[in-house]
Amino acid sequence: QKEVEQNSGPLSVPEGAIASLNCTYSDRGSQSFFWYRQYSGKSPELIMFIYSNGDKEDGRFTAQLNKASQYVSLLIRDSQPSDSATYLCAVIGGNNRLAFGKGNQVVVIP
Amino acid sequence: DTGVSQNPRHKITKRGQNVTFRCDPISEHNRLYWYRQTLGQGPEFLTYFQNEAQLEKSRLLSDRFSAERPKGSFSTLEIQRTEQGDSAMYLCASSFTGANSPLHFGNGTRLTVT
Repeated sequence: QKEVEQNSGPLSVPEGAIASLNCTYSDRGSQSFFWYRQYSGKSPELIMFIYSNGDKEDGRFTAQLNKASQYVSLLIRDSQPSDSATYLCAVIGGNNRLAFGKGNQVVVIP
Repeated sequence: DTGVSQNPRHKITKRGQNVTFRCDPISEHNRLYWYRQTLGQGPEFLTYFQNEAQLEKSRLLSDRFSAERPKGSFSTLEIQRTEQGDSAMYLCASSFTGANSPLHFGNGTRLTVT
């Protein structure tokens, strides 16, 4: 079982809609959870972090964490063409190492 | 610019040659990480330093790979006897000490081994 799993294929959403991304992790002792955005050919850019169960909102982004179910999600409201990118879920597990999922590509259609 | 700096941005080398990459972290950060990323995959952990000490090295990392951070500031990653499978984006990141500290990435070095 991979440490961090993002299994959804490319996600296409119309401009203005909500994009929803999910991620599961295997290490129940994980404490820190991050979402990075990566444009093609560029390096990952931190957009959200969450440490506690529940929701955390930052502008058009909301991260949701459920430690009991071992999943973390990202919602992008009012999606814009500039949101088209790959979104990487990352988790710091008990080994204090940041592990990444393979990412989900989001395409916002004008 | 006070972000993480990596150079070169691109490196093309022939199989069997040695290559070295450099990373300059954010100056206030005492942790420095190296990751490798191939197309369609997330970054894969290679190694990390706290100050000048190399605290962990991935078991997946071949003996051909070595990293140093001699003065606790910049770091170098050397790959000896490169193979075509080494072609990837090599990413450096830095952070403060602390389990919750987010990593900040540099622009990466893209290696192509022909």
